[in-house]
Amino acid sequence: KAGVTQTPRYLIKTRGQQVTLSCSPISGHRSVSWYQQTPGQGLQFLFEYFSETQRNKGNFPGRFSGRQFSNSRSEMNVSTLELGDSALYLCASSFRAGPSGTGELFFGEGSRLTVL
Amino acid sequence: SQQGEEDPQALSIQEGENATMNCSYKTSINNLQWYRQNSGRGLVHLILIRSNEREKHSGRLRVTLDTSKKSSSLLITASRAADTASYFCATVSNDYKLSFGAGTTVTVRA
Repeated sequence: KAGVTQTPRYLIKTRGQQVTLSCSPISGHRSVSWYQQTPGQGLQFLFEYFSETQRNKGNFPGRFSGRQFSNSRSEMNVSTLELGDSALYLCASSFRAGPSGTGELFFGEGSRLTVL
Repeated sequence: SQQGEEDPQALSIQEGENATMNCSYKTSINNLQWYRQNSGRGLVHLILIRSNEREKHSGRLRVTLDTSKKSSSLLITASRAADTASYFCATVSNDYKLSFGAGTTVTVRA
């Protein structure tokens, strides 16, 4: 079974630009969540999607947005990039039979974003 | 904000020794999970313990949960160089929000 796939793995952007990151979950998983990891703030929850609906959202500005498609693939977008957005962005999928419950998360290798 | 806080922040041990790290949290949980992260990679799920469980084992891993003290511990027995990684606890609240702690960095010396 293929794992969680994140693309691109590495990218460099400049301030003010926007970026879109992609995540393909494990087949059969309908829940996808996104995390930002930085040395200073650790792992911060961005948002979670289940069956194309955003279920939970972390405390990030509106520049951070996401969506999930009918095949469970998810994208996140960051507009008007700032230096502080440099981070490892991790996507995780999980099998959930319904909208509630959080069991084991399967993580991708992450997308490392550098903002210059 | 992070609900779980790990202690210690860093741990250095000799190969073959045991490693113990703790996680404390503030509010009631549905379950608590432990993850491992090798440098710059994705996280790998190690073990999940539900709020009505007190102890779980998986290979060389032993996890305990004390809901009265709002704390959990992860014990790695007979450590190996490959156990060098960061370890995170993650709490799942009763409204199913998952929150990670800051992590414990474990270095196993040969």
